[in-house]
Amino acid sequence: DSGVTQTPKHLITATGQRVTLRCSPRSGDLSVYWYQQSLDQGLQFLIQYYNGEERAKGNILERFSAQQFPDLHSELNLSSLELGDSALYFCASSGRGGGSPLHFGNGTRLTVT
Amino acid sequence: TQLLEQSPQFLSIQEGENLTVYCNSSSVFSSLQWYRQEPGEGPVLLVTVVTGGEVKKLKRLTFQFGDARKDSSLHITAAQPGDTGLYLCAGQFNYGQNFVFGPGTRLSVLP
Repeated sequence: DSGVTQTPKHLITATGQRVTLRCSPRSGDLSVYWYQQSLDQGLQFLIQYYNGEERAKGNILERFSAQQFPDLHSELNLSSLELGDSALYFCASSGRGGGSPLHFGNGTRLTVT
Repeated sequence: TQLLEQSPQFLSIQEGENLTVYCNSSSVFSSLQWYRQEPGEGPVLLVTVVTGGEVKKLKRLTFQFGDARKDSSLHITAAQPGDTGLYLCAGQFNYGQNFVFGPGTRLSVLP
């Protein structure tokens, strides 16, 4: 058990809809990362937050947004969903910024129909 | 964009065999991590290497970091079905930056 909790585990929704994925980091970890994993793209870094502030941005679409709250949990919002957004979305946390080992949650499997 | 390559993409072997998987880049890594991901779960860190030529062992797994810090290998001795999973390398190109993940090697060990 990594200590990182992601909800929901599975999500099925239609194109054009909006969903929110939630992540609770490991106790004491200040950094939260979001990754997208699909069969043809591997594990793609989306965005990182550190203690409530955006720290780094990767290949995150404008239709996607995220935030980290004062209690350090994070949410990833995906809007105007397309079929190609179907993927596994992982949250990871670490004690410090870039370079520290990442502790991953078990992911949210998003299916857009 | 700095890219990592991993080979082979897929590997299916019998229990008891040895295998090696590779990770490489055209750029120098400041450090490199190996993760294993099992179906339905997130990746789990196996090892971090930072020094060129470094060798680390984790039971039947041996990790090597190339002298030039542009490549790394993972060798598994006497593979077991429990070794089945997706092996990901993640490279850090500059200290303090986020790690970039490779596409992974999907290993299947048949009993």
